[in-house]
Amino acid sequence: ELKVEQNPLFLSMQEGKNYTIYCNYSTTSDRLYWYRQDPGKSLESLFVLLSNGAVKQEGRLMASLDTKARLSTLHITAAVHDLSATYFCAVDFGNEKLTFGTGTRLTIIP
Amino acid sequence: DAGITQSPRHKVTETGTPVTLRCHQTENHRYMYWYRQDPGHGLRLIHYSYGVKDTDKGEVSDGYSVSRSKTEDFLLTLESATSSQTSVYFCAISSGLMSLETQYFGPGTRLLVL
Repeated sequence: ELKVEQNPLFLSMQEGKNYTIYCNYSTTSDRLYWYRQDPGKSLESLFVLLSNGAVKQEGRLMASLDTKARLSTLHITAAVHDLSATYFCAVDFGNEKLTFGTGTRLTIIP
Repeated sequence: DAGITQSPRHKVTETGTPVTLRCHQTENHRYMYWYRQDPGHGLRLIHYSYGVKDTDKGEVSDGYSVSRSKTEDFLLTLESATSSQTSVYFCAISSGLMSLETQYFGPGTRLLVL
C-alpha cells in the first residue's frame, strides 16, 4: 500500500524556537513535495525534492530528502508567527499521481 | 499565479441532485487533477487527466465522474450528491515537461450537501 505519514499532526511552538516535521513514506520514491496551506486557502508549493540527499532552503524553512530511509524533513529555524499554517508532504510513487500526508498543523505562539 | 480558476467557489445543494464543478486553466498544461480535502485525511485524489479525453481514477472516485473535452477545462460531476461528498474540492495542474515537476492548485470549491 502506498502511504505517506507525517508527524506530528499538530505542533504548537514558541517564536524563536527550532523544530522539525517528519514525513515517512511506504515504498521507493525519489520525488517528494512540500506544500503550505493557510486556513481557508489553497495549497502553495514550497519545495520540490527530486533526488536522494536533496536539500532546499527558503527563509526559515529547510527541506531534505533521504530516499534510503524513505524520510523527508521540514526544519523550521527560529520560528515566527507568519509560519503558522498546515504543512503537507506529498510523494510521487511513479504512478503519475501524488499521495499526500494528512498534514501538520503548525501554530507559532508569541 | 498558475492561472487556475474554479467555479463555483461555494455551493449548497440537496442530496440526490447532480452537481458539476469546473476547473479552468490558462497555461495549457497537460495534466489536471481533482482532489477532495477533508479533516484528518489530507488531500485525496478523485480523478485525473493526462490529456483531452484521457482520464483515470484516483483513490476516491466512487460517485464522481469527469470530463475533459478541451485542454483548458476539467469538469467534475457528482451524479447524485450525497452528504458524504460535502467537502472542499481542489483542482490542480502540473507544469513542466515531466508530469509531476510541480503541481499548482486552484482556489478550491466548498460544497455542502444537505
